[in-house]
Amino acid sequence: GAVVSQHPSWVICKSGTSVKIECRSLDFQATTMFWYRQFPKQSLMLMATSNEGSKATYEQGVEKDKFLINHASLTLSTLTVTSAHPEDSSFYICSATGTRTYGYTFGSGTRLTVV
Amino acid sequence: KQEVTQIPAALSVPEGENLVLNCSFTDSAIYNLQWFRQDPGKGLTSLLLIQSSQREQTSGRLNASLDKSSGRSTLYIAASQPGDSATYLCAVRPSGGSNYKLTFGKGTLLTVNP
Repeated sequence: GAVVSQHPSWVICKSGTSVKIECRSLDFQATTMFWYRQFPKQSLMLMATSNEGSKATYEQGVEKDKFLINHASLTLSTLTVTSAHPEDSSFYICSATGTRTYGYTFGSGTRLTVV
Repeated sequence: KQEVTQIPAALSVPEGENLVLNCSFTDSAIYNLQWFRQDPGKGLTSLLLIQSSQREQTSGRLNASLDKSSGRSTLYIAASQPGDSATYLCAVRPSGGSNYKLTFGKGTLLTVNP
């Protein structure tokens, strides 16, 4: 079945630094990838949609200069949280879909803690 | 705007019981519906995917049905086990165009007691 690998699974960083999260589709070509943010005991909030080779489309209220998304290949998308602040602490999850997959496959998530 | 509602928000059952989780959506123009489970602090695991032309899908002890015209889906779990304890989410993908964005329900938190 389709597998999406997300790294790191958790990261602690100092306020003001940047953190990069990777999302890889291991056995299929991910034409579209999505980045979500999830607050405790709440459902997923879509942050942005990225298509390979194109600029990401951000949801309303999401700062594109703060959450940099790169989808340079059909198997890799990255989310960089720039100049992180404690309020950016959250659980970030990526998902991917491809031309040969009808459903969506999710990564295992990244717990970001900014201190 | 599509809205997805899941009922109940939480459910606690004894081990071995059969149970049904409900999902309803307001816009029947969907491409497919997918059920996921999420364990605490983890990502989502896909359980079942139902295309809009299908009525149901089965995998092991899980059976999901879809009634697109009435905007409803159910997830049936047979002979529940403590390992089934998790949050169950349903999500719909809209039909038409290149809009691949899923709309999620808020989930049902299931606890199966030994």
